[in-house]
Amino acid sequence: AQTVTQSQPEMSVQEAETVTLSCTYDTSESDYYLFWYKQPPSRQMILVIRQEAYKQQNATENRFSVNFQKAAKSFSLKISDSQLGDAAMYFCAYRRGNKLVFGAGTILRVKS
Amino acid sequence: GAVVSQHPSRVICKSGTSVKIECRSLDFQATTMFWYRQFPKKSLMLMATSNEGSKATYEQGVEKDKFLINHASLTLSTLTVTSAHPEDSSFYICSGQLAGEAEYFGPGTRLLVL
Repeated sequence: AQTVTQSQPEMSVQEAETVTLSCTYDTSESDYYLFWYKQPPSRQMILVIRQEAYKQQNATENRFSVNFQKAAKSFSLKISDSQLGDAAMYFCAYRRGNKLVFGAGTILRVKS
Repeated sequence: GAVVSQHPSRVICKSGTSVKIECRSLDFQATTMFWYRQFPKKSLMLMATSNEGSKATYEQGVEKDKFLINHASLTLSTLTVTSAHPEDSSFYICSGQLAGEAEYFGPGTRLLVL
């Protein structure tokens, strides 16, 4: 069974600083997708970034980037120049086929 | 990104009644839609996978007779909570999947059963 582990229940970052959220996953497959979703207080799930496992290059979306280590089954999210609007619950997710498996989530607090 | 709507955003009902929640993909056709349940500060729990024109596939432990799912078109899926009880109170989220891409989520429906 595929599992996704987010070992940090909560993280804090100072505004304008950089923070990294960790995620590891367990799979025996070689072809899959990984995602980070953000859930702010409104509870709307928002796609932050995606990574295809066959791509070695780390995905980047503006201030958000990932460090994808396939052999280590690690998929961390780096948020640069943190903003107050980045405060949310962040979920790492794995997909193979058509189902998403979510981690438990990390609450990110941004201090002004 | 693709947009998914849900209606209603919140509903309060009496125990024993049924509640229908609609999920629509507004700017794309979703051959597959998903229904999740989420408790406060917890992760999303997949309830069922809904394919247009066929019966939904339910996850283990989810009562298919209690949570009726209909996926009548490529843009609409509905979840009906039948004979609702207070323990069914929760936040329900749907999503639509673009083939080969990510899932896009609706804003969720908060259900409170009194």
